[in-house]
Amino acid sequence: KAGVTQTPRYLIKTRGQQVTLSCSPISGHRSVSWYQQTPGQGLQFLFEYFSETQRNKGNFPGRFSGRQFSNSRSEMNVSTLELGDSALYLCASSLGVTTGELFFGEGSRLTVL
Amino acid sequence: KQEVTQIPAALSVPEGENLVLNCSFTDSAIYNLQWFRQDPGKGLTSLLLIQSSQREQTSGRLNASLDKSSGRSTLYIAASQPGDSATYLCAVKGSNYKLTFGKGTLLTVNP
Repeated sequence: KAGVTQTPRYLIKTRGQQVTLSCSPISGHRSVSWYQQTPGQGLQFLFEYFSETQRNKGNFPGRFSGRQFSNSRSEMNVSTLELGDSALYLCASSLGVTTGELFFGEGSRLTVL
Repeated sequence: KQEVTQIPAALSVPEGENLVLNCSFTDSAIYNLQWFRQDPGKGLTSLLLIQSSQREQTSGRLNASLDKSSGRSTLYIAASQPGDSATYLCAVKGSNYKLTFGKGTLLTVNP
C-alpha cells in the first residue's frame, strides 16, 4: 500500500515568489493536514481538509492557503514568500478528522533566498 | 490553548537500556495522543496512537500510556538499540481537532 507522497521534495525560491506543494494521501484516506516544521518553532499545524472542505486552520497569515480535490489529493500554496517561510512542509493523511491515525509524507523542503 | 511539553529534550543511553520518554499536555479534553519518531531530514513515522478512552498501547518493544486526568503520557522503550536513535515526538489532538506537537526528545543510543 503506497504511503503519503509529497512533491516536490526540495525547492528553492526567492522572496516575493509563490510556491505550490502537492500531497497525495494514502488510498482511502479522506483527511489531509499540513504542517510547517522549523528548528525554532518546531511542528506547527497549518490546516486540515476533509472531503474537499477546510475543517480547521492554524495561526498562519492568509498568504498560506490550501485546497483538496475530489480524489483527496491536496495542494498548499504560499504567496509572496518571505525568508521566514523556509521550512520543511509536511503533509499527513488519515481516515477521519477526529480519531484516525496520522501517516506523514517525507515532506517538501522549501528554501527562500 | 493546548501546550505540549516533552522531557527530557535530549537523552543519551547505552545499548540495551530500558528508557522512558515523557509528554505532558495542559488541556485534558483530547481525542487522542500519538507518538512519532523522526529521523534527520525525514518525515514522521507513526509509532503508537492512543485514543482518549484508552490507557495504553503496545507495539513490539514500545509501550505508550495515557493519563488524561493528569495530562501525561509516557513512551517506554525496552532494550534500546542504536537503530532507535531519532527524535521522538508526541502530538495531541484536542477538542478543536487541532494537532499540537511537543518539541521532541532527541534520543541517542550508543553501541
